[in-house]
Amino acid sequence: AQSVTQPDARVTVSEGASLQLRCKYSYFGTPYLFWYVQYPRQGLQLLLKYYPGDPVVQGVNGFEAEFSKSNSSFHLRKASVHWSDWAVYFCAVSMWTGGYKVVFGSGTRLLVSP
Amino acid sequence: GGIITQTPKFLIGQEGQKLTLKCQQNFNHDTMYWYRQDSGKGLRLIYYSITENDLQKGDLSEGYDASREKKSSFSLTVTSAQKNEMAVFLCASSRLVSAETLYFGSGTRLTVL
Repeated sequence: AQSVTQPDARVTVSEGASLQLRCKYSYFGTPYLFWYVQYPRQGLQLLLKYYPGDPVVQGVNGFEAEFSKSNSSFHLRKASVHWSDWAVYFCAVSMWTGGYKVVFGSGTRLLVSP
Repeated sequence: GGIITQTPKFLIGQEGQKLTLKCQQNFNHDTMYWYRQDSGKGLRLIYYSITENDLQKGDLSEGYDASREKKSSFSLTVTSAQKNEMAVFLCASSRLVSAETLYFGSGTRLTVL
């Protein structure tokens, strides 16, 4: 079945430390992949997206993600986390099912400690 | 720029009641979506619509109806509210291509007494 898995429900990182949030997808075709972020009391907004091509994608606020076809993964990274990165991060896949359907993972809550 | 407006922001219903949520977008986007967000379960797709008068079921369509009578609006009906149900319903829209950004509304928070 077509799906998106974010195995970590919650991740705690010290401010200034590096970050990786994991995402794995299951889809037979060429995936279009996204990371969205939901800051406290705000709506979801796009962080970055992947089109077939360069596997490393740069996003806003220093975030990047790397696509791996062999691992069916699209992990999100940041070199140095800031307290303002405290949010819930969602991985999503756009899949062709007679129209483009966007399926989301369950989300990873990022907590930033001082 | 554009905006997605969801009404109402808060919806309180009784068990068994039929409840309707509305969504309007002024992006002139073709595709619109309804998602349900439960704590710890992420966003689950209820219905989506590729264009006016089109409806496609998502993974969570049972118990819901949807309607897309105009390009700019997409409504969702909870056909029979379940007791103690609490969730946030998010509407989104995008252009009709493969990897376009979804733009989200601020949500409707449903509580069923």
